Amino acid sequence: AQKVTQTQTSISVVEKTTVTMDCVYETRDSSYFLFWYKQTASGEIVFLIRQDSYKKENATVGHYSLNFQKPKSSIGLIITATQIEDSAVYFCAMRELADSNYQLIWGSGTKLIIKP
Amino acid sequence: EAAVTQSPRNKVTVTGGNVTLSCRQTNSHNYMYWYRQDTGHGLRLIHYSYGAGNLQIGDVPDGYKATRTTQEDFFLLLELASPSQTSLYFCASSDDWGTQDTQYFGPGTRLLVL
Repeated sequence: AQKVTQTQTSISVVEKTTVTMDCVYETRDSSYFLFWYKQTASGEIVFLIRQDSYKKENATVGHYSLNFQKPKSSIGLIITATQIEDSAVYFCAMRELADSNYQLIWGSGTKLIIKP
Repeated sequence: EAAVTQSPRNKVTVTGGNVTLSCRQTNSHNYMYWYRQDTGHGLRLIHYSYGAGNLQIGDVPDGYKATRTTQEDFFLLLELASPSQTSLYFCASSDDWGTQDTQYFGPGTRLLVL
C-alpha cells in the first residue's frame, strides 16, 4: 500500500545553518511524483518543491533542495542558510502516476524550529 | 501562481447545525479537493472533484457532502454538524496538465462545533 512516513516530529536548529528533513515512501508504481509543502504558523500551506521519479537530478528551488535516493525510497528536504521565517511544519507528499484521480498521499509532518 | 480562496475563514456553530464552506479557484484547474487537518492526523481527504458536477469520495467522507457547481466553485456541506467535525478545513486545486499534480491550497477555514 502507498504510504509516506516522516519520522522526525520536531527539529530545532540555529539560524543560518543547514537542516535536512527526512521522508520515506512506499509505492508499487515505477513512476511517481514527490512534493514538499510548508505550513506556516498562520496555517497557510504553501507548495515548495517537487521531484519527478524519472528525473535523476535533484530538484532545487531557492534555498530548498532535495536529496532523492530512489533505491532507498527516500526524499529528503534540505534547507540551506535557514532563516527565522523558515520555522514551520513541513509535509512530504506523493502521487503515483497510475492514480488517475491525482490524489496526494501525505506524511504527518515535521515541525522545524529556527532559533536565533 | 494559483489563487484559491475560502470563506468563511472562521465559523462557529452548534451541534446539529447546518454549515456550508465555500472554495473558489481562479486558475482554471480541473481538480479541487477538501481536506480536514487535525492534530495527530495531518491532512485527510474528505471529497474531491475533477470538474463541474463531478464528485469523488475521499478517505474520511462520513458526515460531509460536497458539490462542485462550476469549475471555479466547490462547496463542503455539513448538514448535521457534530463536535467531532471541529477542525481546520482546507480547499486545494490542481490541474492535469502543465504543473499537474501540484496542489495549491486556500487559507483554510477554522470550524468549531459546540
